[in-house]
Amino acid sequence: GAGVSQTPSNKVTEKGKYVELRCDPISGHTALYWYRQSLGQGPEFLIYFQGTGAADDSGLPNDRFFAVRPEGSVSTLKIQRTERGDSAVYLCASSPGTGSGNTIYFGEGSWLTVV
Amino acid sequence: AQSVTQLGSHVSVSEGALVLLRCNYSSSVPPYLFWYVQYPNQGLQLLLKYTSAATLVKGINGFEAEFKKSETSFHLTKPSAHMSDAAEYFCAVSESGGSNYKLTFGKGTLLTVNP
Repeated sequence: GAGVSQTPSNKVTEKGKYVELRCDPISGHTALYWYRQSLGQGPEFLIYFQGTGAADDSGLPNDRFFAVRPEGSVSTLKIQRTERGDSAVYLCASSPGTGSGNTIYFGEGSWLTVV
Repeated sequence: AQSVTQLGSHVSVSEGALVLLRCNYSSSVPPYLFWYVQYPNQGLQLLLKYTSAATLVKGINGFEAEFKKSETSFHLTKPSAHMSDAAEYFCAVSESGGSNYKLTFGKGTLLTVNP
């Protein structure tokens, strides 16, 4: 597709369960980002990939969160032992690179609700 | 460390009136500054960005913003509001150096346009 695609768009899970959120970036974009947006807040940075490697994962809140991008395209954000506080919109974004001229394109997000 | 403060979580204007959304930032290095818009059930869309060129930046849909270093501000304006401008607006900052990929967002301002 033309934009960043995220699946599922909505996910309801029980506390303690494992969740995977998928992101399909714009074709050809080498940089991929995950952000989290809680209710009433702006998006918060989680992790940044350049190609297949996580160049900066300083925003991941704890070791229950992990993300991969094995072939440098699609990425999966994985959350183990989910907690109610993990409920948020998880936004994926991509860009051609990271220079000042690059624009970061966001997907519509995956709404995660932990009950 | 960087931060963004958006004054006013909700701004209401009449159609045809001036739109002014306020953003102040804090950054230890020269910043890059951005305004994003989020329409209902859509992803974040870049309105405009400042990357150390002209201080007055023009964006899409008639919006513009002026970088004022002395005031650490990057307020968003539009001379005449249209009903289609109703959305949530986010101001964001990134470093101009090696971490320019990492955006720090404000909490957002919801713009309502009254007929």
